[in-house]
Amino acid sequence: GQNIDQPTEMTATEGAIVQINCTYQTSGFNGLFWYQQHAGEAPTFLSYNVLDGLEEKGRFSSFLSRSKGYSYLLLKELQMKDSASYLCAVEAPAAGNKLTFGGGTRVLVKP
Amino acid sequence: EADIYQTPRYLVIGTGKKITLECSQTMGHDKMYWYQQDPGMELHLIHYSYGVNSTEKGDLSSESTVSRIRTEHFPLTLESARPSHTSQYLCASSRGATQYFGPGTRLTVL
Repeated sequence: GQNIDQPTEMTATEGAIVQINCTYQTSGFNGLFWYQQHAGEAPTFLSYNVLDGLEEKGRFSSFLSRSKGYSYLLLKELQMKDSASYLCAVEAPAAGNKLTFGGGTRVLVKP
Repeated sequence: EADIYQTPRYLVIGTGKKITLECSQTMGHDKMYWYQQDPGMELHLIHYSYGVNSTEKGDLSSESTVSRIRTEHFPLTLESARPSHTSQYLCASSRGATQYFGPGTRLTVL
């Protein structure tokens, strides 16, 4: 089966940096996604990593290490609107190339 | 920006009623998905389709059924709603790997 782990909750201060870790054990691996989900809303796509390394997109960056089964999402210059859940999802051949989602990390940004 | 729509956005209904949740996308995506999500909990895939006349059950057992008669339309039906069906239902579509989500339907069964 597929197993994805990420912390349940994190708290950070406005303007700071937060790193959300995600570890996975899957049968095969195609790529890893990060989605943002505000309370009561649908997930929105943030990033997609296929190869090892860091992908930067504005204030958000995502890192992948395939050999370690590890990814992180880095949120810089935190803003109050960044308070949301961040979902790690893996696409794996053994799951029919569908996405398997982690439980999500709820990030609370405080003034 | 993804063009995927769900109706209704909110639905409160009595036990035993038949309901259909609508999902439509205008992007011509072949793949469509239905997820169920309780508040603060993870997404669970309940149905998916890789094209017209193709439907499969997902990882989470569900009493709902789906159909895919047209590329753009992927409705989900509950023949007899029960309080255990109370949840948020999210529809998504994709061409490649990236899935784009609709706004969701929040269903409450009394």
